[in-house]
Amino acid sequence: SQTIHQWPATLVQPVGSPLSLECTVEGTSNPNLYWYRQAAGRGLQLLFYSIGIDQISSEVPQNLSASRPQDRQFILSSKKLLLSDSGFYLCAWSVGGGAREGQFFGPGTRLTVL
Amino acid sequence: DQQVKQNSPSLSVQEGRISILNCDYTNSMFDYFLWYKKYPAEGPTFLISISSIKDKNEDGRFTVFLNKSAKHLSLHIVPSQPGDSAVYFCAAVAGGTSYGKLTFGQGTILTVHP
Repeated sequence: SQTIHQWPATLVQPVGSPLSLECTVEGTSNPNLYWYRQAAGRGLQLLFYSIGIDQISSEVPQNLSASRPQDRQFILSSKKLLLSDSGFYLCAWSVGGGAREGQFFGPGTRLTVL
Repeated sequence: DQQVKQNSPSLSVQEGRISILNCDYTNSMFDYFLWYKKYPAEGPTFLISISSIKDKNEDGRFTVFLNKSAKHLSLHIVPSQPGDSAVYFCAAVAGGTSYGKLTFGQGTILTVHP
């Protein structure tokens, strides 16, 4: 069966510090991978998606970047965090061709920038 | 441009009654729709979906209705249970399957009172 891992679960970082959030998927090959952010009181905003290694598309201009160094690894980064980067970050994967369930989400990372 | 809208930020229902959550979309290319349920500090989980070739899909206590002419879908939960209390997101995708990028609504917080 497929599983998706995200870490850390919570993170408190000062403004201006770097960020690295990691997501890995097990039990599937060549998944599409996604990073979302849910800001307080808001919906799910798609930040990045990837259809393969080193193939990243950015959905919104922002202070963040994403990388996919391996097939089932997706990393969200920032060189200098802003207060507005606070939120709940979700990684998701989907299968080529689609599945009834759409995308499968990880447990999320709660990021607080102070 | 919010292509998927959930205009009710919250809904409160008595246990045993029906919960009706609504979702509107503007993009006529959307042809597959999904509902996800999300508990605090967790990732969303798939609930039910519907293809645009149908106008109704039922799974246990959950039924999704699609009105293509009105670009409107709704999720009915009958009977509602306290464990249903969560944030509900509708999502839409174009292309006939769930493959590809999902566009999410802002979410509706459902509270079911015992």
